[in-house]
Amino acid sequence: DAMVIQNPRYQVTQFGKPVTLSCSQTLNHNVMYWYQQKSSQAPKLLFHYYDKDFNNEADTPDNFQSRRPNTSFCFLDIRSPGLGDAAMYLCATSRYDRDQPQHFGDGTRLSIL
Amino acid sequence: QKEVEQNSGPLSVPEGAIASLNCTYSDRVSQSFFWYRQYSGKSPELIMSIYSNGDKEDGRFTAQLNKASQYVSLLIRDSQPSDSATYLCAVRGGGSNYKLTFGKGTLLTVNP
Repeated sequence: DAMVIQNPRYQVTQFGKPVTLSCSQTLNHNVMYWYQQKSSQAPKLLFHYYDKDFNNEADTPDNFQSRRPNTSFCFLDIRSPGLGDAAMYLCATSRYDRDQPQHFGDGTRLSIL
Repeated sequence: QKEVEQNSGPLSVPEGAIASLNCTYSDRVSQSFFWYRQYSGKSPELIMSIYSNGDKEDGRFTAQLNKASQYVSLLIRDSQPSDSATYLCAVRGGGSNYKLTFGKGTLLTVNP
């Protein structure tokens, strides 16, 4: 089945230690998104790629970076995680078409020690 | 600032009843509307999309859209305990904007 896969499902890192989350897709969608979601809150868009074009949200901290080496893969790098970065990180994909929904992976739950 | 508002709940209904979930949005040029279901600790799962005024039915789910009132709703008929989840309303703006704005979600509890 075509899908969005996130690895790992759970990630524990130490305060200040860089961490990378990965996302892959078999849907061949040209847009990939990274969201941060904290408990009882709406998913918050961090950035997205339209093909290779990177689009950062204005309020995304500089601590968060992303890479998209090819159509299928996208990475979220957190350079120096703080306690406030503990959250669920969601990867989503969509076609570039306003009527097309976004499809989410299972998410990565990030804990900071 | 584009906003999507939902009652946070919890909304509690007995099994077999109709659950009604509501959402309002501020961006008048919004074109596409989506309902996602999110179980605790899981990722959002698309359950309905709607683009035109009126009703759209899919099994036990009916989405309703009224662009003049900037209002979209989701009805769940014959509610089951397995429907207990948070329901997120998501709205896409007009033109070339393909990003979604999410509401905070409504927690639905279906009691056996």
